Amino acid sequence: EVQLVESGGGLVQPGGSLRLSCAASGFTFSLYSMTWVRQAPGKGLEWVSYISSRSGDIQYADSVKGRFTISRDNSKNSLYLQMNSLRVEDTAVYYCARDPSSSWYVDYWGQGTLVTVSS
Amino acid sequence: DIQMTQSPSSLSASVGDRVTITCRASQSVNVFLNWYQQMPGKAPQLLIFTASGLKSGVPSRFSGRGSGTDFTLTISSLHPEDFATYYCQQSYSTPITFGQGTRLEIK
Repeated sequence: EVQLVESGGGLVQPGGSLRLSCAASGFTFSLYSMTWVRQAPGKGLEWVSYISSRSGDIQYADSVKGRFTISRDNSKNSLYLQMNSLRVEDTAVYYCARDPSSSWYVDYWGQGTLVTVSS
Repeated sequence: DIQMTQSPSSLSASVGDRVTITCRASQSVNVFLNWYQQMPGKAPQLLIFTASGLKSGVPSRFSGRGSGTDFTLTISSLHPEDFATYYCQQSYSTPITFGQGTRLEIK
């Protein structure tokens, strides 16, 4: 069974940093591209970042480019999102999700982790 | 960026009804259009990929059609568990973009 479990969310002040993690199991993690998607409270879905299976292709939304860094450790079956210079508008539930064929859509999602940026 | 626009934004229907949700792209996305269902407080789930591909395990009452800029998601006969929010998403080019969502409510 495919499982994605996010962690690392919490309350942080504007300008602060957080590192989100996503632990993957139930599939061969190293063969799949991965994506982060976020959802602000009461709002729709927003794509954040994408990383290919061997980290050769990395993409970011303009809203986070230069502030967020996606990475992965295939030996640990883990995906990460380093978030720096956080803004109030980054407040959202962050979902880790699997891309089934490097096709920029996702077939499995984690349960999400809430990031709140507030003073 | 490719803008995705769904209509309607909300919809009231009854169990057993046939409903159709529309998604329009600001430029052609070929068939690279996907649909997700999200229950309140839960993560989204993939329903349809590349316009008409049904994800394994998704009931056959869900179907998708379209190409280019205009797409539809149809539920042939609503079940109680189908009342949720639906999102389209283009996977033609980055940045990947979603529609604003369609909230399907019980009448």
